[in-house]
This record gives sequence, structure tokens and C-alpha cells, in this order.
Amino acid sequence: AQSVAQPEDQVNVAEGNPLTVKCTYSVSGNPYLFWYVQYPNRGLQFLLKYITGDNLVKGSYGFEAEFNKSQTSFHLKKPSALVSDSALYFCAVRFPFPRSNDYKLSFGAGTTVTVRA
Amino acid sequence: GAVVSQHPSWVICKSGTSVKIECRSLDFQATTMFWYRQFPKQSLMLMATSNEGSKATYEQGVEKDKFLINHASLTLSTLTVTSAHPEDSSFYICSASLVGTNEKLFFGSGTQLSVL
Repeated sequence: AQSVAQPEDQVNVAEGNPLTVKCTYSVSGNPYLFWYVQYPNRGLQFLLKYITGDNLVKGSYGFEAEFNKSQTSFHLKKPSALVSDSALYFCAVRFPFPRSNDYKLSFGAGTTVTVRA
Repeated sequence: GAVVSQHPSWVICKSGTSVKIECRSLDFQATTMFWYRQFPKQSLMLMATSNEGSKATYEQGVEKDKFLINHASLTLSTLTVTSAHPEDSSFYICSASLVGTNEKLFFGSGTQLSVL
């Protein structure tokens, strides 16, 4: 069973409008949650993470995400999208392994974001 | 910030040949590196976990004799696709973690492998 779900294959928004990319997880315990962005023909770039503490985390390029334990969600948000935000976004969860230094991530299927001018 | 260099960025090879992909952590030491495979319009699938000085741990369904991983130093891991076939054509990405942290992975820019 997939541990991380991104229910939307594509998200299309107009520039200047709010952007939300959804992510839900199904990992027991206290997960570590991550968002990564992949631009065309480039590797993954780290956006933000939730480990513990404040449920609202802020990351790179004006993105933020809210950890909601009751809904097991970690949606990525940006108040005002830019055309340059068009990319492929991946949500990831780290399994709670016994070893503290095991950083194996499980990725969602990805959501393609298109921001139109 | 930490930089992971992956080389080559793309490679075309004939069926039956072997291809080596390098993953280097340029400004930090990485005891653990991960190799992923990404098919078009699909997510990243973890292939194996590479630990410096020991054998790699492969995920279920990944042939260890076909995808040879060597992590000889704290800054270099290699993935060799042996006897490549067209179905091995994919985008391969490596990642490395900073020693002593448990929060962030740094990814290489990926290698597009096309097997003719």
C-alpha cells in the first residue's frame, strides 16, 4: 500500500492566485514529512520539512506547508503563485526506522503544477 | 549548501553494454547514499541504500547483480547498470545525507539513460 498519496496529478492556477498541492500519508507513529520540487531536466530540490513543533512550516521560494495530524495531511501552499513555480512537486515521508540515521524516503506520485500568466 | 554531483547527466548506450553512473558529495561526507529510479510521469522509486564500506541494501524487486552499487569512500557512490536492456532506460537519481543529521537529503541532478 502506498504510504504517501498525492491525489491530484495536475494543478493549474493563474499567476497571483493561491496554490495548494495536496498530500496525505499513512505511516504510523510520528512521520517526518518533506516536500521536494523538480524542475524540467533537473534534480530534486528540497523545499521544506516537518519534523516536530509548529504545524505550519515555511520553506524555500515562499512555500509553506501545514501538518495536520488528525487528517494525516501535509498540503503545500503558496499564497501567490508565480509562473516560475511551474514544476513537478513531490511529497515524501520518512518511515520511522529503528536506526536514527536511516533516511529512507517514500515519495508520492508527484503533482505537476502549471501556473499560467 | 551541500552539493551532490551526478555524472553523466545523460548517456546513450547499446543493449548489452554496461553503464556507470557516479554520485559525489562535493562539500560534505555522506555515509549513506540512495539510488532512485524515475519513469516518465511517475514518482521516484528507491532502488538501493548505499553505505560506505559495506554492501548496498537493495529494495525488493531490484536485481543486485544487474544494478551494482559501490560506495568506496565517504564522497563517492557508483551505480553500474550491467548488460543494459531497453527496459533499463530511465532517469536515475542519487541522493546523499549529511553525517549527523536526520532531516535533509541532497539530490544529484539525475542521469537519463537510454538503451538502444
